[in-house]
Amino acid sequence: EAGVVQSPRYKIIEKKQPVAFWCNPISGHNTLYWYRQNLGQGPELLIRYENEEAVDDSQLPKDRFSAERLKGVDSTLKIQPAELGDSAVYLCASKTGTGGNTEAFFGQGTRLTVV
Amino acid sequence: DAKTTQPTSMDCAEGRAANLPCNHSTISGNEYVYWYRQIHSQGPQYIIHGLKNNETNEMASLIITEDRKSSTLILPHATLRDTAVYYCIVRVSDSSYKLIFGSGTRLLVRP
Repeated sequence: EAGVVQSPRYKIIEKKQPVAFWCNPISGHNTLYWYRQNLGQGPELLIRYENEEAVDDSQLPKDRFSAERLKGVDSTLKIQPAELGDSAVYLCASKTGTGGNTEAFFGQGTRLTVV
Repeated sequence: DAKTTQPTSMDCAEGRAANLPCNHSTISGNEYVYWYRQIHSQGPQYIIHGLKNNETNEMASLIITEDRKSSTLILPHATLRDTAVYYCIVRVSDSSYKLIFGSGTRLLVRP
């Protein structure tokens, strides 16, 4: 079974440009997360979806970041405009069910470099 | 969710047991201890979790002290592929399921 698939793996853009990341979770997984990981630090949660509903977006910088999960499957995370400080690895994760004691599976991430 | 404290880095010899400690002195009675690891250039990978009892699976063992204020992840026979950052996380098993990562322990397995 395929794991969580993210694309692209790497992205280099100039500051002030827009960028989008795509995530395809494991089939049947209701819960989807986007995390941001800065160099040398642990991942930080940006947003969590239960099916198509964003149930926790308190850490998402809403002035420039947006996310969507149409039809409760694939998800995209967008930054517009990007800033130098947005350089990081953006990780997507999914898990089955909408609660309970199940593990989350992570994708390989998208490494964003803003120059 | 309670905070955790882990050493910044550790090392062990290949084939030997790796014992990774974690302090979680403010853990609540309904909070689980989870361990994930992150190999270079990959996303975090679930290892094991537990509440009160010691747990073992094909990857590792988790030893939780009786007062639950600390725990140890044991990799019984470390290999070079176990070199990674190991994260200890405590969380309530409810509908929120928010994984809050700290900085973790960077484990280096030496040949």
